[in-house]
Amino acid sequence: ETGVTQTPRHLVMGMTNKKSLKCEQHLGHNAMYWYKQSAKKPLELMFVYNFKEQTENNSVPSRFSPECPNSSHLFLHLHTLQPEDSALYLCASSRGTSGSIGEQFFGPGTRLTVL
Amino acid sequence: AQSVTQLDSQVPVFEEAPVELRCNYSSSVSVYLFWYVQYPNQGLQLLLKYLSGSTLVKGINGFEAEFNKSQTSFHLRKPSVHISDTAEYFCAVNYGGATNKLIFGTGTLLAVQP
Repeated sequence: ETGVTQTPRHLVMGMTNKKSLKCEQHLGHNAMYWYKQSAKKPLELMFVYNFKEQTENNSVPSRFSPECPNSSHLFLHLHTLQPEDSALYLCASSRGTSGSIGEQFFGPGTRLTVL
Repeated sequence: AQSVTQLDSQVPVFEEAPVELRCNYSSSVSVYLFWYVQYPNQGLQLLLKYLSGSTLVKGINGFEAEFNKSQTSFHLRKPSVHISDTAEYFCAVNYGGATNKLIFGTGTLLAVQP
């Protein structure tokens, strides 16, 4: 595998389900990001992790719970979601964050549908 | 507030014609500018970036962009487009700071017609 991978690519879940999105980067980066992409809206940054530590939570509802066990893996745990949470969830990575203006590399995304 | 504006939600153009996709950002002392492309069912891929130096930046697939500080713009151009350039294009700005945070525009769909 190369670059940034995300699984699953598509997910349909009910409002009472619990599911997780997985992201893995094979680039040796230290920073990872979760974005939400909704139709006709700018990409919304959700969370930033640098060296496994969360450095930004962009006022995301608690029904989204991120986890970063190491610099290569990032998870987004989902529970009791709402239909308006349906979107494309993109993961990205970069070399680092502090003092760094670095290119972010994106995965293909997980298309989430909440029924 | 920090913001990025892409006024054109869709730009139709014929194959082999030139194209310009517009991007304006809210003014700041330090800005670092990016254009990303998103093909259907894929993630975002970097086209080009401006960090410092020459204001004319060349990227992949024949695209280029010019940083204009006085007009707070970073428009993307290509002299001759191909059908394969059909995609969504996003302008993004990093205003500096500790988190390498990108502010994205709403995107422009470039629709190339034969």
